[in-house]
Amino acid sequence: NAGVTQTPKFQVLKTGQSMTLQCAQDMNHNSMYWYRQDPGMGLRLIYYSASEGTTDKGEVPNGYNVSRLNKREFSLRLESAAPSQTSVYFCASSARRGWEQYFGPGTRLTVT
Amino acid sequence: TQLLEQSPQFLSIQEGENLTVYCNSSSVFSSLQWYRQEPGEGPVLLVTVVTGGEVKKLKRLTFQFGDARKDSSLHITAAQPGDTGLYLCAGSYSGAGSYQLTFGKGTKLSVIP
Repeated sequence: NAGVTQTPKFQVLKTGQSMTLQCAQDMNHNSMYWYRQDPGMGLRLIYYSASEGTTDKGEVPNGYNVSRLNKREFSLRLESAAPSQTSVYFCASSARRGWEQYFGPGTRLTVT
Repeated sequence: TQLLEQSPQFLSIQEGENLTVYCNSSSVFSSLQWYRQEPGEGPVLLVTVVTGGEVKKLKRLTFQFGDARKDSSLHITAAQPGDTGLYLCAGSYSGAGSYQLTFGKGTKLSVIP
């Protein structure tokens, strides 16, 4: 039982490059989330998926897109990376929105 | 947007000392969760409190939910270096027809051996 897995763990991009962060959970959870964490800013919600087939914007969605591929998988795409997107990205899941969340180990992204 | 204020932001103490961190809001929450995040890892759920006045214990950690369900505290007895990390509180509230979770910015605890 792996919980929430994320790939990759580390990534360096040049400005303007694109990439997709992958997330999968094996807990049969309905809701999944993408956060970014920056020093002094706390966890900020980028996008969430309350249930399979739905996605909604969070607090800081600009520059990102998401896909809820199926109940297990929720990906985050940066179409044209910018230095302001340098951050640590966490995926999380919960049985229902607003319930206890379970986090992945994070992806450390640097955009130069 | 429901705001959660955590205090203090930073805390550095010696091994063996006791400490309390706080999580406060002007809003009422249906439940409140505490997470611990160790350096380089994702947050890990420690406890959920649901009832006003509820007290839960997890070894040397004691969690309390305020009577009015607007605040919570985490008390650590005889802190150890393994307690070092970022402690996050998160409040669940009902809004726009569903429950939402909002996180505080955390208290960064360093326990010095």
